[in-house]
Amino acid sequence: DSGVTQTPKHLITATGQRVTLRCSPRSGDLSVYWYQQSLDQGLQFLIQYYNGEERAKGNILERFSAQQFPDLHSELNLSSLELGDSALYFCASSPGAGNQPQHFGDGTRLSIL
Amino acid sequence: GQQVMQIPQYQHVQEGEDFTTYCNSSTTLSNIQWYKQRPGGHPVFLIQLVKSGEVKKQKRLTFQFGEAKKNSSLHITATQTTDVGTYFCANFVSGGGNKLTFGTGTQLKVEL
Repeated sequence: DSGVTQTPKHLITATGQRVTLRCSPRSGDLSVYWYQQSLDQGLQFLIQYYNGEERAKGNILERFSAQQFPDLHSELNLSSLELGDSALYFCASSPGAGNQPQHFGDGTRLSIL
Repeated sequence: GQQVMQIPQYQHVQEGEDFTTYCNSSTTLSNIQWYKQRPGGHPVFLIQLVKSGEVKKQKRLTFQFGEAKKNSSLHITATQTTDVGTYFCANFVSGGGNKLTFGTGTQLKVEL
């Protein structure tokens, strides 16, 4: 158990819809990271928040947004969903903002029909 | 930006055989991390290497960082079925924050 909690575990929805994925970091960790894992793209970094503020941005689509709340949990919002958004979405956390080991949650599997 | 190439993509071995996966970069890496992802699981941090020529061991796993800090390897001695999974190297790319960029991974299958 990594201590990182992601909900829901599975999500099935249709194209054009909007979903919210939730992540609670390990106790004491201030950084939250979001990743997308698909068969053809591998594990792709989307975005990082540190203590409530956006810290780093990867190849995150404009249809996607995220935030980190005062209690440090984070949400990833995906809108106008397309078939290609079907993937496993991981959240990870670390104590600080720098080059540290990251601890991953179990992921949310998103399926777009 | 920095792109880390990982080889091989797949490796099938008999239990007891050794296994090695390699990460190569065209540019100097500040550090490298290794993760393991079991089938159906999430990536799990194994180790971080920072210094040129660094070698670290964890039981049957040996991690190396090249002298020029452009490559890294993970060697498993006498594989076991518990070693099955995908091994990823990853490095932090600076600029606009620290972004952890993962290699393509090596999927290891161990047969009895």
